Amino acid sequence: GQNIDQPTEMTATEGAIVQINCTYQTSGFNGLFWYQQHAGEAPTFLSYNVLDGLEEKGRFSSFLSRSKGYSYLLLKELQMKDSASYLCAVVSGAGSYQLTFGKGTKLSVIP
Amino acid sequence: EAQVTQNPRYLITVTGKKLTVTCSQNMNHEYMSWYRQDPGLGLRQIYYSMNVEVTDKGDVPEGYKVSRKEKRNFPLILESPSPNQTSLYFCASSLSWGAGELFFGEGSRLTVL
Repeated sequence: GQNIDQPTEMTATEGAIVQINCTYQTSGFNGLFWYQQHAGEAPTFLSYNVLDGLEEKGRFSSFLSRSKGYSYLLLKELQMKDSASYLCAVVSGAGSYQLTFGKGTKLSVIP
Repeated sequence: EAQVTQNPRYLITVTGKKLTVTCSQNMNHEYMSWYRQDPGLGLRQIYYSMNVEVTDKGDVPEGYKVSRKEKRNFPLILESPSPNQTSLYFCASSLSWGAGELFFGEGSRLTVL
């Protein structure tokens, strides 16, 4: 089966850096997504990692280690608008392309 | 404008009354999928489609049907809705599997009484 774990909630201060971790155990692996979702809205794409290493995109970076079944999303220079849920999702393989989401991490940015 | 459109956005219905939630994308995407989102459970995949006439079950397919007769449309059918299908539903598409970004529709909030 698929198992994806991420912290339920986190709080961080405006202007700071926060790291949201995601660990996974899946049957096969074809990539890992990070999405941002504001309350009542659709998820929006942040990053997609297939190979090990760090990918940087502006204030957001995502890291993947396939051997450890581990990823993190790093948010720098936090802004109030970054308050949202952050969803980790893994694409399984072995002949199917199911996408399994973690339950999401609700990030609150405080002044 | 490139988008994924779902209809209806809100629906209240009764147990057993068949309904269809439509999903259409105008980006010529091959891959389309349906999810439901429930408090404490996160997003769960219901069905996905790699291309026209190719569909497969996700994690929670029971009680749902889909079809992919043409590339742009991927309707979700609830033949006999039950209260446990009350949820927020999202349709999503991407250029092809492995092409990265998944584009989501705005969501359809369904209540089954």
